[in-house]
Amino acid sequence: EIVMTQSPATLSVSPGERATLSCRASQTVSTNLAWYQKKPGQTPRLLIYAASSRATGIPARFSGSGSGTEFTLTISSLQSEDFAVYFCQQYNNWPPLTFGQGTKVEIK
Amino acid sequence: QVQLVESGGGVVQPGRSLRLSCAASGFSFSNYGFHWVRQAPGKGLEWVAMIWYDGSNKYYRDSVTGRFTVSRDNSNNTVYLQMNSLRVEDTAVYYCARRGGMAPIDYWGQGTLVTVSS
Repeated sequence: EIVMTQSPATLSVSPGERATLSCRASQTVSTNLAWYQKKPGQTPRLLIYAASSRATGIPARFSGSGSGTEFTLTISSLQSEDFAVYFCQQYNNWPPLTFGQGTKVEIK
Repeated sequence: QVQLVESGGGVVQPGRSLRLSCAASGFSFSNYGFHWVRQAPGKGLEWVAMIWYDGSNKYYRDSVTGRFTVSRDNSNNTVYLQMNSLRVEDTAVYYCARRGGMAPIDYWGQGTLVTVSS
């Protein structure tokens, strides 16, 4: 089973600032990586797939990069609605699909 | 729009059974596979099971193999997760999620809470 490790666990950022979230895989997943956003009381939302492709309707301030074992989700200028928990997920080698533990982006 | 609505969660004693349902709408149900994903209190997301669009293939995580069964009813646009021999460690919010064309999961339901406790 591929283990996904996200860092940091919590990221404190001021509105308008840039946020950089990391995700590491225990073995290569090529670019078969997705990012999801989860807000309290809401369903998770797909942000990025194939490491760098934005899902339909996702604002351009969200971008993904990386390949192999190291991945990054960048939010270029944080808006109030972006404060949430972000999960990465690999789908290169499944079952099982595996997720990172999440990074909480909170208001500084 | 795409909607996935889970139901069937609740409090159950260890060793008992529960069946979760996921009612889908807003898209052509029979063209899509579905996953069940859970999140235990204070923990990360954990994939549980998956069923293909036509039900011909099913996959499970090791810890639920032999206890959980995923199925679907394409005439009622519903996916099920039959959970038998429940354990305390199965306590979690269970999400139904649609397998996307480009991503493994493109839409999620709101989740249903399963609590296994004596």
